[in-house]
Amino acid sequence: KAGVTQTPRYLIKTRGQQVTLSCSPISGHRSVSWYQQTPGQGLQFLFEYFSETQRNKGNFPGRFSGRQFSNSRSEMNVSTLELGDSALYLCASSSFPGVSGELFFGEGSRLTVL
Amino acid sequence: SQKIEQNSEALNIQEGKTATLTCNYTNYSPAYLQWYRQDPGRGPVFLLLIRENEKEKRKERLKVTFDTTLKQSLFHITASQPADSATYLCALSPRGDNLFFGTGTRLTVIP
Repeated sequence: KAGVTQTPRYLIKTRGQQVTLSCSPISGHRSVSWYQQTPGQGLQFLFEYFSETQRNKGNFPGRFSGRQFSNSRSEMNVSTLELGDSALYLCASSSFPGVSGELFFGEGSRLTVL
Repeated sequence: SQKIEQNSEALNIQEGKTATLTCNYTNYSPAYLQWYRQDPGRGPVFLLLIRENEKEKRKERLKVTFDTTLKQSLFHITASQPADSATYLCALSPRGDNLFFGTGTRLTVIP
């Protein structure tokens, strides 16, 4: 079956703009989580959605937001972009909420903020 | 403060040898510990999960140990191959909610 699909794969924005990233989980998976990966900080948890509800949120400012739709697809939005938001944004899906099982990651959306 | 440290940023070994990667953590009490592999430009790929009440898990050439007293996990790849070259990430979860990742060890297997 198809894996986790993230779009767009690459994008360039300027400071102050906003961006929306999309994630389609593996068919049948209802949990979607988002992570930010940077060379300095590594992988950091942003938030998790299960059945359209945010279950858990990491330590990121309110500029980072997300949502999940009834078909389990998820979007994350970053408003008022800063240079430090340049990163690889990874989406992961799983059958159940939480991390007691395997997470399936997408290939990521690489955001560059100029 | 809470920290997850992976023994070295880079590790080179000869093909056929056993690679041993270390993950040490402080100020966490993980319920779960996972290992992932990440290739350049790709997302992480799950390898193994071990629970706090488990000492060891194996999968083919992979073995992970978990010592909650030492606050350490060891990840072994036996009979290593050049195709095993990648970055390996340790990740733990205190309550099963989300993962906290280490910074990774870049493994290079030399033919």
